[in-house]
Amino acid sequence: DAKTTQPPSMDCAEGRAANLPCNHSTISGNEYVYWYRQIHSQGPQYIIHGLKNNETNEMASLIITEDRKSSTLILPHATLRDTAVYYCIVRGDDKIIFGKGTRLHILP
Amino acid sequence: NAGVTQTPKFQVLKTGQSMTLQCAQDMNHEYMSWYRQDPGMGLRLIHYSVGAGITDQGEVPNGYNVSRSTTEDFPLRLLSAAPSQTSVYFCASSYQGKRGELFFGEGSRLTVL
Repeated sequence: DAKTTQPPSMDCAEGRAANLPCNHSTISGNEYVYWYRQIHSQGPQYIIHGLKNNETNEMASLIITEDRKSSTLILPHATLRDTAVYYCIVRGDDKIIFGKGTRLHILP
Repeated sequence: NAGVTQTPKFQVLKTGQSMTLQCAQDMNHEYMSWYRQDPGMGLRLIHYSVGAGITDQGEVPNGYNVSRSTTEDFPLRLLSAAPSQTSVYFCASSYQGKRGELFFGEGSRLTVL
């Protein structure tokens, strides 16, 4: 699976949009981009995924660049409950490798 | 549906002891996997399985064995526990293929003295 690169930490003011970047420059044409988040020491929770089109659900939006080498997860109105570690991964067929993710701090 | 169930939630072992972490899912998922997470670290893949009777190694397989005799169960065995295996272990499952989201269990916290 392709590797991803994320900033180790980010801050966002409560009520503002949180934009979390991810670089996946070696992604293959048929690999999907997935985002998960982990709150405290709970099991990671699925947020959203996409192939090449932008995607939106009730939790977030996913913007994938046209060349698919990077993506951005957008939490439109961040709350304190969005404080978590966010993981961007690329899924091929079998090995699903997580990096260290981005620790998002929501500031009151 | 119960989802992904891991047992036990907490376990303390002495060095050299053996134990099995259990993982069961009731979603008929083909894919199952085990991760470990150490403080300040992301998740590291230990072993995974794409279906009953099929297992393969992940990033950090040494010291761990797995088997997949049924679709539902994917136990992780520590044959001779070492302090370096102190960690939180997560089991996950999904439908096979690139479009399957992972469902995680609540984790098993293991301490090896």
